[in-house]
Amino acid sequence: SAVISQKPSRDICQRGTSLTIQCQVDSQVTMMFWYRQQPGQSLTLIATANQGSEATYESGFVIDKFPISRPNLTFSTLTVSNMSPEDSSIYLCSVVAGQSGRLYEQYFGPGTRLTVT
Amino acid sequence: AQSVAQPEDQVNVAEGNPLTVKCTYSVSGNPYLFWYVQYPNRGLQFLLKYITGDNLVKGSYGFEAEFNKSQTSFHLKKPSALVSDSALYFCAVRVRASGTYKYIFGTGTRLKVLA
Repeated sequence: SAVISQKPSRDICQRGTSLTIQCQVDSQVTMMFWYRQQPGQSLTLIATANQGSEATYESGFVIDKFPISRPNLTFSTLTVSNMSPEDSSIYLCSVVAGQSGRLYEQYFGPGTRLTVT
Repeated sequence: AQSVAQPEDQVNVAEGNPLTVKCTYSVSGNPYLFWYVQYPNRGLQFLLKYITGDNLVKGSYGFEAEFNKSQTSFHLKKPSALVSDSALYFCAVRVRASGTYKYIFGTGTRLKVLA
């Protein structure tokens, strides 16, 4: 399995500012995703972070608002730009395991709890 | 559109009784199906998956799930529920997208096991 860490674990930010969330994986992975989850609710895929190319965004999410970097196979960042209270949520990084016996299994980071005031 | 549905927001079951958490899917091609669990204030954990082979798959913590192609379902089951099984459960399906893959999650079902 993959061990994923995220920084920060939580933050309280003022509207209009930006926050960059870091995701570090302990092994090289091909597929990395960013999700948003309201507490107790389902996960919404924001984008797929592609190594060496631009991220692939889901409907309703745009690069200007959620720029993503993926400089290598173990690290990615998600920035939440020009924040508003509606951006308050838990942001999750996840990766897909590629090892035999664990193929296609998705592993999640602990999440970043963001509150925008 | 490809999707996965969890028709029950909450399932209540008495400790020791069997439990079922329902999931149905709509995908083109052969489905890759998953169950995840989220305990309070903790991250999501992988429980089990169906890729191919036997329709009954076994996973962590004594859970199993039955793939039914004709009913397009992948219900999660456990023969005897524990209070510690109380958590939020998500069904997910892997689908093709833009030359790669992505995972679509259901809305989640809150399982409450009563002592």
